Amino acid sequence: GDKVKQSPSALSLQEGTNSALRCNFSIAATTVQWFLQNPRGSLINLFYLVPGTKENGRLKSTFNSKESYSTLHIRDAQLEDSGTYFCAAEAYNNNAPRFGAGTKLTVKP
Amino acid sequence: DMKVTQMPRYLIKRMGENVLLECGQDMSHETMYWYRQDPGLGLQLIYISYDVDSNSEGDIPKGYRVSRKKREHFSLILDSAKTNQTSVYFCASSLGDRSAETLYFGSGTRLTVL
Repeated sequence: GDKVKQSPSALSLQEGTNSALRCNFSIAATTVQWFLQNPRGSLINLFYLVPGTKENGRLKSTFNSKESYSTLHIRDAQLEDSGTYFCAAEAYNNNAPRFGAGTKLTVKP
Repeated sequence: DMKVTQMPRYLIKRMGENVLLECGQDMSHETMYWYRQDPGLGLQLIYISYDVDSNSEGDIPKGYRVSRKKREHFSLILDSAKTNQTSVYFCASSLGDRSAETLYFGSGTRLTVL
């Protein structure tokens, strides 16, 4: 089943605008990771989170374990932010992070 | 240099042939993983290895086996490849002992089974 659900599945943004991506979990997630898969296919780790919030430049991510979701906020979107964003969650009774299906982001000039 | 290296980058095989995908890491990470990525499905966990000769099935292990004889190397083997094993395969590693911390991914191997 879908242990990790991402929304939206695709998103188009104008350069300079803001947006938020979301992950909902049907498992008791203890940690969350966010990745960007760039157009070349490489997976780049953006955040590793326990419950709480982290910020890095124009990106901010929150993980709420009680309500079983995580969000990734992108501020002032740039062309190089384009790609597919994945979240992955691990639970106490899992042996590895499970991934969502991804959000494909296109930033347009 | 912190790196996960996968070989080969592209591979074409015929149905029924054996396939060996190799992965190495230079970070002395205990835990290593194999995932496959198919369009619309994200990454699906095939196998996980906690250390040398300590391997565990993931969510889709059927048709695959793994080998980890040295901490820095983790191989994925397809005995008699099938066309539905055409996919992009990613290897990853993490520091933690039975608890994933940040995953570091290789560049992937695109396998086509004809």
